[in-house]
Amino acid sequence: KAGVTQTPRYLIKTRGQQVTLSCSPISGHRSVSWYQQTPGQGLQFLFEYFSETQRNKGNFPGRFSGRQFSNSRSEMNVSTLELGDSALYLCASSSKRDPIFEQFFGPGTRLTVL
Amino acid sequence: TQLLEQSPQFLSIQEGENLTVYCNSSSVFSSLQWYRQEPGEGPVLLVTVVTGGEVKKLKRLTFQFGDARKDSSLHITAAQPGDTGLYLCAGANNNNDMRFGAGTRLTVKP
Repeated sequence: KAGVTQTPRYLIKTRGQQVTLSCSPISGHRSVSWYQQTPGQGLQFLFEYFSETQRNKGNFPGRFSGRQFSNSRSEMNVSTLELGDSALYLCASSSKRDPIFEQFFGPGTRLTVL
Repeated sequence: TQLLEQSPQFLSIQEGENLTVYCNSSSVFSSLQWYRQEPGEGPVLLVTVVTGGEVKKLKRLTFQFGDARKDSSLHITAAQPGDTGLYLCAGANNNNDMRFGAGTRLTVKP
């Protein structure tokens, strides 16, 4: 089974721009979660999507948004980029059908905001 | 404030030494996971523990879930340079909401 894939792997943007990141979950997984990872804050939960609906949301400003498509692929968007948005953005997929909840991560997208 | 507290934050040891890292919380979890992450990559799931008091072994790694399902430990025997990385614990509640600790950064010197 192919793992979680994320594109692009690296991205450089300037302040004020917007960016869209993409995540394809493991085949059959319908839940996708997004995390922001920085050296100072660690892994911070952004949001989770399940069956195209946002199920849970972390404590991030409205500039961070996401969506999920009918094939379970997900995108997250960050508008009006700030220097502090520079981070590794990770998505993780899980199967809500399994009795034990486990998340599997993609390699991440490294976003640098200049 | 981290829901899960990991200690130590940093650990630097020589190859062949043993080590234990801890993951503590005041919350009860339905399951707890340990991940290892290398620089620039996503975390890789090592193990999931579910039952209080459960012990799982993965080669030289031993994972234990506390009896009350609030804490966990990871013990590595005869550490090798390939064990170097960021070790993260993550706890899931009954709603499958998962929260992560800040991690323990392990360096094993040859």
